Amino acid sequence: GNSVTQMEGPVTLSEEAFLTINCTYTATGYPSLFWYVQYPGEGLQLLLKATKADDKGSNKGFEATYRKETTSFHLEKGSVQVSDSAVYFCALSRNSGYSTLTFGKGTMLLVSP
Amino acid sequence: EAGVVQSPRYKIIEKKQPVAFWCNPISGHNTLYWYLQNLGQGPELLIRYENEEAVDDSQLPKDRFSAERLKGVDSTLKIQPAELGDSAVYLCASSFGQGSDNEQFFGPGTRLTVL
Repeated sequence: GNSVTQMEGPVTLSEEAFLTINCTYTATGYPSLFWYVQYPGEGLQLLLKATKADDKGSNKGFEATYRKETTSFHLEKGSVQVSDSAVYFCALSRNSGYSTLTFGKGTMLLVSP
Repeated sequence: EAGVVQSPRYKIIEKKQPVAFWCNPISGHNTLYWYLQNLGQGPELLIRYENEEAVDDSQLPKDRFSAERLKGVDSTLKIQPAELGDSAVYLCASSFGQGSDNEQFFGPGTRLTVL
C-alpha cells in the first residue's frame, strides 16, 4: 500500500538557519506529492505540491523536488524564521481516481530567535 | 472566502456517551472528507463524500461511527457510544473536484477528549 515516512522531530533551529525535513514515500503508480503545514491552533494548509517526477514545488521560500529515483520529496528552506515554527506533514495522493491523501506522521519545527 | 468551519472546537465527554461533530465546507466544494488525527500522527481518512454520496468509507468503524451529508453541503460525524480510544482530533476538509492533485482545504478540527 501507500505510505509516507518523515524524519522524526522536533527539529530545533536558530533563526536564519538552513532547513531540511526528509520525506520518502512508497506508492504504486505515479502519485502527486504534497507538503502541508499546521500552525498552532489552526488547520492544515497546503504549502507546496508536485505532480510529476523532477517537478519542484515552491512557496514562501520553501522548496521540494519530486525525486522518483529515490522516492523522496525533501522540504528545504534556506533561511528559517521564528514564524515558520509549526508541524510539517508530507503527503501523497494516488494519481488516478479519487484524491485520497496519505500523510506522514509530521515533523515539528521549532525556530528560536 | 470563508474557510472550512467546524464545531465544536473542543468536546469533553464520558465514555459510552454519544457525540457529534459538524462541518460546513467551502462554498461550491463538492468533495468533503473526515479525517482522524491521533496525537503525534498524521491525519487518516475516515470517509469521503462526493456531493451527498459516501464514495470511500472503508476506514470508518461502522459499529460506532456514522456520518451523513444531507443535500451535499454540510456534514455531521457521529460516535455512539464513545470509547476512551476515540480521543483525538477530528478534521474536516473539502475540495473542488476529485482529481488527485486538487487541493484539500482543512478546518481547524474538533478535539475530542473521552474520560
